[in-house]
Amino acid sequence: SQQGEEDPQALSIQEGENATMNCSYKTSINNLQWYRQNSGRGLVHLILIRSNEREKHSGRLRVTLDTSKKSSSLLITASRAADTASYFCATDLVNDMRFGAGTRLTVKP
Amino acid sequence: NAGVTQTPKFQVLKTGQSMTLQCAQDMNHEYMSWYRQDPGMGLRLIHYSVGAGITDQGEVPNGYNVSRSTTEDFPLRLLSAAPSQTSVYFCASSPLAGNTGELFFGEGSRLTVL
Repeated sequence: SQQGEEDPQALSIQEGENATMNCSYKTSINNLQWYRQNSGRGLVHLILIRSNEREKHSGRLRVTLDTSKKSSSLLITASRAADTASYFCATDLVNDMRFGAGTRLTVKP
Repeated sequence: NAGVTQTPKFQVLKTGQSMTLQCAQDMNHEYMSWYRQDPGMGLRLIHYSVGAGITDQGEVPNGYNVSRSTTEDFPLRLLSAAPSQTSVYFCASSPLAGNTGELFFGEGSRLTVL
């Protein structure tokens, strides 16, 4: 069964706007990661946040983690057309990384 | 470094045929894994390995075999292909087993079973 579930399933915004994607999971985790997948390509790692961290930044990305609510969010600021992709959260159950179904982000120029 | 290399990129099989998807990494990573990606399902873990000679089952192992004779290679074998195995398959690796860190993915192998 999927450990993480992203919300919304699809998101369409204009260039320059911010995009927020949410992830909920079911069990305790060691860390939570976010990945990006361009159409027809493999997944690329974006950011990892450990269970004892609450917020992490990387460039235009901001990730939060609330272990009490078993949820995480990914914020992409000042979005660009090149950010169009699917975004997945993944939770680490020790050697067993579980992925959600992803959020499909479309950024219109 | 080439990273994670998967072959073939595309394959069409008939029901009952067998085949092997190849995966190789040149980063000396301990951990390697195979996922399948189906529309609306995200990625599901098939098998993984924490080092040469060690493999274990993931979430959806039935119908697949793996072996890890070297650190670099982690082939996935379909024993008797079924239409339900039509999917995109991804191989991934990570530097350390255990508290798995960042996964490095190959570009995928698209398999169609008729």
